Amino acid sequence: DTGVSQDPRHKITKRGQNVTFRCDPISEHNRLYWYRQTLGQGPEFLTYFQNEAQLEKSRLLSDRFSAERPKGSFSTLEIQRTEQGDSAMYLCASSAGTDNQPQHFGDGTRLSIL
Amino acid sequence: LAKTTQPISMDSYEGQEVNITCSHNNIATNDYITWYQQFPSQGPRFIIQGYKTKVTNEVASLFIPADRKSSTLSLPRVSLSDTAVYYCLVVGTGFQKLVFGTGTRLLVSP
Repeated sequence: DTGVSQDPRHKITKRGQNVTFRCDPISEHNRLYWYRQTLGQGPEFLTYFQNEAQLEKSRLLSDRFSAERPKGSFSTLEIQRTEQGDSAMYLCASSAGTDNQPQHFGDGTRLSIL
Repeated sequence: LAKTTQPISMDSYEGQEVNITCSHNNIATNDYITWYQQFPSQGPRFIIQGYKTKVTNEVASLFIPADRKSSTLSLPRVSLSDTAVYYCLVVGTGFQKLVFGTGTRLLVSP
């Protein structure tokens, strides 16, 4: 399977704990995106990387959130001091470097905060 | 980015053709129209993208009139497995932040 891979698929943690998610994009894609989706809503943009550079961050990405893409390949999204409101599906997508190329999504990490 | 409006839900039966229309009155000259499909507990899956007139692939057709203020996703002969949420998006140039609405929930019955 050469699609976007996310790990873990599910994460259950207690409020206040830190969590980290990983995304492995399609290998030749240099653009990588993170989105968050809550029940009944469409995905909401969080942040965007072109290669290793984080070029755009949404206001949804509070100070407790940090994303990295150290070598321009896989990316991690960390949430510190998790809160109940962080419960959601976290989706990663990647696309080729030219405009108007569609984004291809992974199947997400579902985060549940106890 | 242009806002999109699409029906909240649609019902159909197996074997029928389904047409989902999306309006995007404020679409810009360089914007594309893109459709995604999403099943529960999965990420959105790219279906089709177009700029004008008609685009067809192995799963769907996309009709875009000359004024580009609307578009119609056509799913031929739907099956139960086409039950999903369908999102219409207008995508600009540049880094292409996708702005999803709440989509159209399509229910296909036997």
